[in-house]
Amino acid sequence: QKEVEQNSGPLSVPEGAIASLNCTYSDRGSQSFFWYRQYSGKSPELIMFIYSNGDKEDGRFTAQLNKASQYVSLLIRDSQPSDSATYLCAVNMGGNQFYFGTGTSLTVIP
Amino acid sequence: NAGVMQNPRHLVRRRGQEARLRCSPMKGHSHVYWYRQLPEEGLKFMVYLQKENIIDESGMPKERFSAEFPKEGPSILRIQQVVRGDSAAYFCASSGTLNTGELFFGEGSRLTVL
Repeated sequence: QKEVEQNSGPLSVPEGAIASLNCTYSDRGSQSFFWYRQYSGKSPELIMFIYSNGDKEDGRFTAQLNKASQYVSLLIRDSQPSDSATYLCAVNMGGNQFYFGTGTSLTVIP
Repeated sequence: NAGVMQNPRHLVRRRGQEARLRCSPMKGHSHVYWYRQLPEEGLKFMVYLQKENIIDESGMPKERFSAEFPKEGPSILRIQQVVRGDSAAYFCASSGTLNTGELFFGEGSRLTVL
C-alpha cells in the first residue's frame, strides 16, 4: 500500500514564527517530493520540490528530506497571515505516480 | 492561456444522471491525472493517462467511472448514474516530463449531485 501521511492539524502559529509541517511516505524507492499549498476553494499550487537528502531553501520556505527515515518536512519562516492554507505533501512513487497526503491546515494568527 | 483548463467549473446533476468533466492539459504536456477531493480532505488519486492510454486507474471505482484521453481533444472523466456520494471537487493535473514530478493543476470541477 503506497501511502503519504501528514498530521491534519490544524496547526496555528503566531505571525512571525516558524511553521513546521511534516510528512512521511511508505515507498522507500521514492525519488521526488513536493509541497503544494491550497487555499480554501482553490486548486493546489506547487511551492517547493526536493529530490536529494538535506535541505533546500527558497525564500522563507525550506524543504528537508531524509530518505533513510522516509520523512520530508517544510519549514516556513517569518510566517504571515497569507500563509494560512492547507499544505499538501506529494510523493512521486515511480512510474510518474503522484500520491498526496491529506494535508495540514495552517493558520497564522496576526 | 497556457494553463490546465477544466470545464465546467461547476456542475449540478440529479441522481442517476451522467456527469462529464473535461480537462485540457498545459500545452506540450502529455500526462494527465485526475484527483477527487472531498471537503476538508486531501487529494485522492483516481487515474493517470497519457495520450490514448490509461496508465494507472487503480484509484478509480470499478463501476460508473471511466476516463479517456484521446489523440485529439481534452481528457474526459465520465461518471454514469451519479449518486450523492460523487459530490466533490475533481481536479485535473498535467505533467510534461517523466520523473521531474511537477504537476500543474486546473481550477477544478465541482460536482454537486442533488
